[in-house]
Amino acid sequence: ETGVTQSPTHLIKTRGQQVTLRCSSQSGHNTVSWYQQALGQGPQFIFQYYREEENGRGNFPPRFSGLQFPNYSSELNVNALELDDSALYLCASRSGGDSTDTQYFGPGTRLTVL
Amino acid sequence: ILNVEQSPQSLHVQEGDSTNFTCSFPSSNFYALHWYRWETAKSPEALFVMTLNGDEKKKGRISATLNTKEGYSYLYIKGSQPEDSATYLCAYQDSGTYKYIFGTGTRLKVLA
Repeated sequence: ETGVTQSPTHLIKTRGQQVTLRCSSQSGHNTVSWYQQALGQGPQFIFQYYREEENGRGNFPPRFSGLQFPNYSSELNVNALELDDSALYLCASRSGGDSTDTQYFGPGTRLTVL
Repeated sequence: ILNVEQSPQSLHVQEGDSTNFTCSFPSSNFYALHWYRWETAKSPEALFVMTLNGDEKKKGRISATLNTKEGYSYLYIKGSQPEDSATYLCAYQDSGTYKYIFGTGTRLKVLA
């Protein structure tokens, strides 16, 4: 086990709704990244938080937003859900903002948008 | 757009066979190359972080090499076992942004 947990495991929403996904980092890790993995694709980088500030973002629209808390846990919020948002959402934590330190992944949240 | 490609997409091998697969990445702005092993219903597990051209890493029966000048890395599995069945992902880390760009993975099935 990596020590990174995510909740919920599965979630079903309808188009237009909003969703919040949660991630608890491994102890001592101050950097959290979120990824979206659609069917048949590799994980796509959404954004990264380092010490509560967003310090990197992939090609995702503003309706994908996040937060990192003082204990370094994190949330991913998606507004105005679309069918294409159906995917596995992974979070990963590591120490250091810009380093080669290994990222440790959680098991993911499977989101289905109907 | 930075592309990371993995080949083959999937393969089946017999128990005891050795196998290898490829990760191709941009040769410019290289920072690091990461390999992960991802079993179904589990979290991706880090295998190797490679940073230097010519790097070779080994973990049990699994090893990896890195060529940053030509932009590729090979992952080798010697004497494959059914428990090696998983998706193997590589991720290129860019020196400008430090973001991880993943390939689509190679799905390995080892038949007993």
